[in-house]
Amino acid sequence: AQKVTQAQTEISVVEKEDVTLDCVYETRDTTYYLFWYKQPPSGELVFLIRRNSFDEQNEISGRYSWNFQKSTSSFNFTITASQVVDSAVYFCALTDSGGYQKVTFGIGTKLQVIP
Amino acid sequence: EPEVTQTPSHQVTQMGQEVILRCVPISNHLYFYWYRQILGQKVEFLVSFYNNEISEKSEIFDDQFSVERPDGSNFTLKIRSTKLEDSAMYFCASRAMGPDTGELFFGEGSRLTVL
Repeated sequence: AQKVTQAQTEISVVEKEDVTLDCVYETRDTTYYLFWYKQPPSGELVFLIRRNSFDEQNEISGRYSWNFQKSTSSFNFTITASQVVDSAVYFCALTDSGGYQKVTFGIGTKLQVIP
Repeated sequence: EPEVTQTPSHQVTQMGQEVILRCVPISNHLYFYWYRQILGQKVEFLVSFYNNEISEKSEIFDDQFSVERPDGSNFTLKIRSTKLEDSAMYFCASRAMGPDTGELFFGEGSRLTVL
């Protein structure tokens, strides 16, 4: 069975601070994909990143960066110089290696960026 | 940019009524999914659909639920006799075929309120 744990349920930061959202996962599969999605107050799910289990390189996209560490089964997400528009719920997610790739979501971390 | 579209965006229904939620996946995608998010909770997998049949379903997806692809473009979720606890946001998603196409494209969701 797969599991995604996001231990931080809510985080508040002041604008321009850096913030890291933690994600720890469990899977027996050797091939899997990890994701981060953003859910703004409007409710839709916005894809941020996909990382496969064979690629442990960290990735940076503008103010966003991701740290994938297979040894600790973690896939953490950092926002640098946070902005009010970053306020949202962020979900970490994991697929299985089956052909249909069902996605298992974590419970989400609600980020509030205070101006 | 291609997108998954869902209708209605919000539906209010009385307990015991049948509800059909509609989705138009991205045109060249072959895998289709329904997910559910009860307010304030995580996104949960309901069902996956491939090659005109259910490929996997969760324990949530009981006999009250059914899915159908009635034509080449629509993918529907039917709830036969709604219960109060079916109130949630329902997300449709689709995915292209292939081993390295793990990204799910989500629709904007259909909010169902059962009174």
